[in-house]
Amino acid sequence: EAQVTQNPRYLITVTGKKLTVTCSQNMNHEYMSWYRQDPGLGLRQIYYSMNVEATDKGDVPEGYKVSRKEKRNFPLILESPSPNQTSLYFCASSLYGTYNEQFFGPGTRLTVL
Amino acid sequence: AQTVTQSQPEMSVQEAETVTLSCTYDTSESNYYLFWYKQPPSRQMILVIRQEAYKQQNATENRFSVNFQKAAKSFSLKISDSQLGDTAMYFCAFTYMNRDDKIIFGKGTRLHILP
Repeated sequence: EAQVTQNPRYLITVTGKKLTVTCSQNMNHEYMSWYRQDPGLGLRQIYYSMNVEATDKGDVPEGYKVSRKEKRNFPLILESPSPNQTSLYFCASSLYGTYNEQFFGPGTRLTVL
Repeated sequence: AQTVTQSQPEMSVQEAETVTLSCTYDTSESNYYLFWYKQPPSRQMILVIRQEAYKQQNATENRFSVNFQKAAKSFSLKISDSQLGDTAMYFCAFTYMNRDDKIIFGKGTRLHILP
């Protein structure tokens, strides 16, 4: 089944404890992206990647890191999480870019205490 | 920077009625794409409809259609014969053609279909 998977689905952590949210797609897509969703703010793009070893900042990249060492994986890293990073996170992929349909993962609910 | 505005935070309609969700955007360029994405209570985001700005014909997908007014920078979504399964948050989104691969989403409209 063609899909985007994210892990974990739910995570509660404490301020300053490094964490990684994994994202993987099995559709051989070139483009991958991370978003955060907050009430009243919609979805905001954190980072995106056009292909392996090519990543770029979205609108809200502060406090996040990403890497794209393989086509299928695009992990989101929070080196020192803070409470303002409490949010719902989505990973998405598309064939070549944002003009193609994006396929979203199921979301990761992150709480930083 | 481009912006996407959805002026209706929340709407409710009776099942089988037609409902229109509004979206306006701001850009000085002429080549771009517009989207409507749906997020049901399951949180799974799915694409509803896509419109290329260079196409004058409005996109349609079964009961879903758009009214794309390029000069007015308006991109509304019409849902005909609404069904309970249409209950969801709907996001309008904008991206440029052949430029950076950023995408801007609106803040969303929460739509309730009432039985």
